[in-house]
Amino acid sequence: EAGVTQFPSHSVIEKGQTVTLRCDPISGHDNLYWYRRVMGKEIKFLLHFVKESKQDESGMPNNRFLAERTGGTYSTLKVQPAELEDSGVYFCASSQVGTYEKLFFGSGTQLSVL
Amino acid sequence: GENVEQHPSTLSVQEGDSAVIKCTYSDSASNYFPWYKQELGKGPQLIIDIRSNVGEKKDQRIAVTLNKTAKHFSLHITETQPEDSAVYFCAALNSNSGYALNFGKGTSLLVTP
Repeated sequence: EAGVTQFPSHSVIEKGQTVTLRCDPISGHDNLYWYRRVMGKEIKFLLHFVKESKQDESGMPNNRFLAERTGGTYSTLKVQPAELEDSGVYFCASSQVGTYEKLFFGSGTQLSVL
Repeated sequence: GENVEQHPSTLSVQEGDSAVIKCTYSDSASNYFPWYKQELGKGPQLIIDIRSNVGEKKDQRIAVTLNKTAKHFSLHITETQPEDSAVYFCAALNSNSGYALNFGKGTSLLVTP
C-alpha cells in the first residue's frame, strides 16, 4: 500500500513568488492534515480536512495560505505571495475516517523562500 | 492553547543503554499522547501512543508512561541500537477540541556503537 506522497520534496523560491504544494493521502483516508515545522521549532498544525470539507483551519497563519481538497482526494496548499518566514518543512498526514489516532505522515516539502 | 514541552533537545547514549525522553503538557483535558520517530529524509512515523485512561504501554523495546496528575509523559527505549538514532517528537491532543496534534520541539537521539 502506498503511503502519503508529497510533491515537490524541495522548493526554492524568491520572496513574492507563488508556490503550490501537493499531498496525496493514503487511499481511503478521509482525514487529511497539513502541518509545518519551522527550523528548530515544533511541528505546528495548519489545518484539517474531512473529505473535501475544511474541518479546522485554526492553524493557518494568514490569508496568503490557501488549502484545497477538491473531490476529497489529493490536497494542495498554495502560498501566495511567499514571505521569508514561510520557509520550513510542510508535512501532510492522513488517517482513517472517524479517528484522530494513527496519523501517517508524508516525507514533507522543504520550502525555502529567499 | 495546549503547550507541550520536550526535554532533552539532544541525547547521546551508547549502544545497549537506555534512553528516556520527557514531555509535559498544559491542557489537563488532553487525552491522547503519541510519539513519533523521524529519520533523516523521512516524515514522522508513529512508534507508540497512549490514551489518558492508561498509565503505561509497552511494545518490545519501547514504552510510554503517563502521569495525568503531573501532566507529563515519557518515552523509554531500552537496549538502544544505532538504528534508533533519529529525532523523536512527543505530542498531545484533546480530542474534544478537535484533531490537531500539539507537538514538542523534538529530541535528537544519537546511539553510538
